[in-house]
Amino acid sequence: QVQLQQWGAGLVRPSETLSLTCILSGGSFNDYHWSWIRQSPGKGLLWIGEVTYDGNTNYSPSLRSRVTMSVDTSKNQFSLRLTSVTAADTAIYYCAAFDKGAYHFDLWGQGTLVTVSS
Amino acid sequence: QSALTQPPSASGSPGQSVTISCTGTSSDVGNYNYVSWYQQHPGKAPKLMIHDVTKRPSGVPDRFSGSKSGNTASLTVSGLQADDEADYYCASYSGGNDFAVIFGGGTKLTVL
Repeated sequence: QVQLQQWGAGLVRPSETLSLTCILSGGSFNDYHWSWIRQSPGKGLLWIGEVTYDGNTNYSPSLRSRVTMSVDTSKNQFSLRLTSVTAADTAIYYCAAFDKGAYHFDLWGQGTLVTVSS
Repeated sequence: QSALTQPPSASGSPGQSVTISCTGTSSDVGNYNYVSWYQQHPGKAPKLMIHDVTKRPSGVPDRFSGSKSGNTASLTVSGLQADDEADYYCASYSGGNDFAVIFGGGTKLTVL
């Protein structure tokens, strides 16, 4: 069964860096682009960006200055770093597999609630 | 890029049909057949229901269908069932200078 499992710190202090990692099991890492999406409390979904298996990235213009995504193909893992976080970055963060041929999210991780608070 | 526009709520009785709209622009929905729809139950991750405007992934009931006209895409749920009660989000590829994926604000579907 193909699935994504994600993990990372659930509490981050203001001005520090949010870090999350996602691992693919049961599938081919080269078949997708690897994305991060977040959902603020009671709000809708926001695409943060994507990273390809060979490390190319695309980021949302609204977060581009603070976001870095990377991949480790040897471990079928990809990661998100968001710097200088504020309370506005409090959200559930999802990793997702993006079908690069048809532009949709085939598979989602379970989500990680990240709270920014001192 | 602005979020796609969805009605905040929709409702219908069991067995009825309901249609949820998703309005974008000529830079996203109107220019590409890359509209997808996601179902999200409370506390759960979103689930792909429709992609490429009209295509259903394996395992999604044929009660769910998608369409598009101009800058507006639509999701129709026929034969409403209690388990269809959820939030529904549309998404579209947005081309131009920056690669991006844009989501709608979401629609809460209530089965009366």
